[in-house]
Amino acid sequence: DIQMTQSPPSLSASVGDRVTITCRANQGIKNYLAWFQQRPGKAPKSLIYAASTLQSGVSSRFSGSGYGTDFTLTIISLQPEDFATYYCHQYYDYPFTFGPGTEVD
Amino acid sequence: VHLEESGGGLVQPGGSLRLSCAASGFTFSYYEMNWVRQAPGKGLEWISYIKSSGDAQYYADSVRGRFTISRDNAKNELYLQMTSLRVEDTAVYYCVRDPIFDSWGQGALVTVSS
Repeated sequence: DIQMTQSPPSLSASVGDRVTITCRANQGIKNYLAWFQQRPGKAPKSLIYAASTLQSGVSSRFSGSGYGTDFTLTIISLQPEDFATYYCHQYYDYPFTFGPGTEVD
Repeated sequence: VHLEESGGGLVQPGGSLRLSCAASGFTFSYYEMNWVRQAPGKGLEWISYIKSSGDAQYYADSVRGRFTISRDNAKNELYLQMTSLRVEDTAVYYCVRDPIFDSWGQGALVTVSS
C-alpha cells in the first residue's frame, strides 16, 4: 500500500498568514494527488486534484504543487473560513490512501 | 451534484447494515463511485470503489470479505452492505464521486456497540 505522510500535524496561524502543508508518498504517484479541506462536523471538500488543478469554485488563495513523491498545499492570506483540517490523498493505486491530516488553527 | 446517504444507525457487533446513497444532479451511470469512512476523531479511510457499470469493485483490506459495494444505475443509487460488523467499524460513512473525489455526501453515522 502507498503510505501518505503530512507535516506538520498541526499549525497555529493568524488571518492573513501564508500557510504551507507538505505531503509525501512513500513511492511515486506521478500527479495523482488531491487535497481536501474538512471543517468540524462537515464532509470533506475537494480543493485540488492532479496535484495542482484547482477545483471549480475554490478560492485562488489555494494552490498545490509537486510530482512523484513530494507535494505541497499553500494557502496565501489565510481567511477565517480556512481554519480547518487538510488531508492529502493519493488515487494512483488501490487501495487509495489519505494522509493523516494537518489541523490549521 | 447531490449525494445523500441513508441507512446508518446503531448495530450490535456481528450484525449487519446496508447503507444507501441517492445521487442526483448528474448522470450517475457515467461515474465510478467510492465509499470513504471516518472514525470519531480520526482521519479519512477509503474503503471501497465500484466501476460505473458495476462489474468491478475494489476493497480495503479492513473490510474485504465483510462489506459489499453495489449500485443500481436505474435508480441512481449506490449501496454498501456491511456484515460481521465490528466495534472498529464505527464511523461516519461517505459516498464519494470518482475519479477526483469532487463530490461528497453529508455522511451516515454507523455505530457498532453492544
